[in-house]
Amino acid sequence: GESVGLHLPTLSVQEGDNSIINCAYSNSASDYFIWYKQESGKGPQFIIDIRSNMDKRQGQRVTVLLNKTVKHLSLQIAATQPGDSAVYFCAERGNTDKLIFGTGTRLQVFP
Amino acid sequence: DTGVSQDPRHKITKRGQNVTFRCDPISEHNRLYWYRQTLGQGPEFLTYFQNEAQLEKSRLLSDRFSAERPKGSFSTLEIQRTEQGDSAMYLCASSWSQTGNTIYFGEGSWLTVV
Repeated sequence: GESVGLHLPTLSVQEGDNSIINCAYSNSASDYFIWYKQESGKGPQFIIDIRSNMDKRQGQRVTVLLNKTVKHLSLQIAATQPGDSAVYFCAERGNTDKLIFGTGTRLQVFP
Repeated sequence: DTGVSQDPRHKITKRGQNVTFRCDPISEHNRLYWYRQTLGQGPEFLTYFQNEAQLEKSRLLSDRFSAERPKGSFSTLEIQRTEQGDSAMYLCASSWSQTGNTIYFGEGSWLTVV
């Protein structure tokens, strides 16, 4: 399949380290946020979501932090593994029910 | 397989031809979305349905594009008189309409217009 995100911001981390991927969103009325992982040639895969009435949510090896004051979202991946290498997108849902996606960040994990 | 299914996965067509993509959502999901994604970009919203009703269409959806969901289950996206600028991955997603329910994506249909 074709690559996604040839000119995206890139985060390079060593296997075993923690990764932090950041995202700024645009709509202060957005009440729901999702992080997706997209591997080359595949569709976006749901990782974790958070509602605007929360500021932190944890999953398996992942944590999402939401700062509504500065409209900032982050995804933390603990003990990053080679299989985590992908492009990561944040998405927000505002006044209507569609998701608006951010630019995306490429995560590269090296041994 | 209980995920969102899209067909075909890859399509190469000559400029000017019509193409149609099909999406089968997760069963019992009443909302179905179409997005388009080009290289280096995030997915861009095209349109979405709740049951068989098309509730919103993006300005990206020109007159050459039409989407249907006649029985509230599967959906088709047709592109008429394809242009090279239509080359992209077309993504389908589905969800249940309650607020905050996750939107799940299919693997996409790659279109190359030559």
